[in-house]
Amino acid sequence: DGGITQSPKYLFRKEGQNVTLSCEQNLNHDAMYWYRQDPGQGLRLIYYSQIVNDFQKGDIAEGYSVSREKKESFPLTVTSAQKNPTAFYLCASSAESTGGRYEQYFGPGTRLTVT
Amino acid sequence: AQKVTQAQTEISVVEKEDVTLDCVYETRDTTYYLFWYKQPPSGELVFLIRRNSFDEQNEISGRYSWNFQKSTSSFNFTITASQVVDSAVYFCAFDSGYSTLTFGKGTMLLVSP
Repeated sequence: DGGITQSPKYLFRKEGQNVTLSCEQNLNHDAMYWYRQDPGQGLRLIYYSQIVNDFQKGDIAEGYSVSREKKESFPLTVTSAQKNPTAFYLCASSAESTGGRYEQYFGPGTRLTVT
Repeated sequence: AQKVTQAQTEISVVEKEDVTLDCVYETRDTTYYLFWYKQPPSGELVFLIRRNSFDEQNEISGRYSWNFQKSTSSFNFTITASQVVDSAVYFCAFDSGYSTLTFGKGTMLLVSP
């Protein structure tokens, strides 16, 4: 079955450590996205990538980094510079990123807790 | 800048009741897309519908229906004869064509038996 895989489902880290969240898709989608969700909040865009080896900052990119070396993979690193990293992280993909013509499909999410 | 407002933070209904979730958006663009997503307790967002700004026809899919009115900048979602499985957080989202979605803060729907 085609879809988006995020691992692990739950992740615990100590403050000051970098942590990388995995996102893999087998939908052959060009565009991939990372969102952050906090309780009672909508989704906020961290980074997105429209094509391999290219990515753009979203609304809340500070303290995060990404790479897009392969079409199917878009890992997100939460660095120690992120002041409040505990959140639910969602990865998404779409066939293209041409502004709304294609819906985004989401992975199951990773819940990160930093203590 | 675009903005999506879901004024209802939480709605509680009893099974078989009809319920409408409100979504109001702000934009100066003439071409744009509106979406609804469902987030069940498992956390994964599920795509429900996409509507472009040139198509104001209402849409019905089973127990779900959507009412798009450009005159009031609204894109409301109605569930008819609600079921317990409809319990989830529902997000309205907007895309003006610059490849990123703007989400509302969501409405939590609780359907009790």
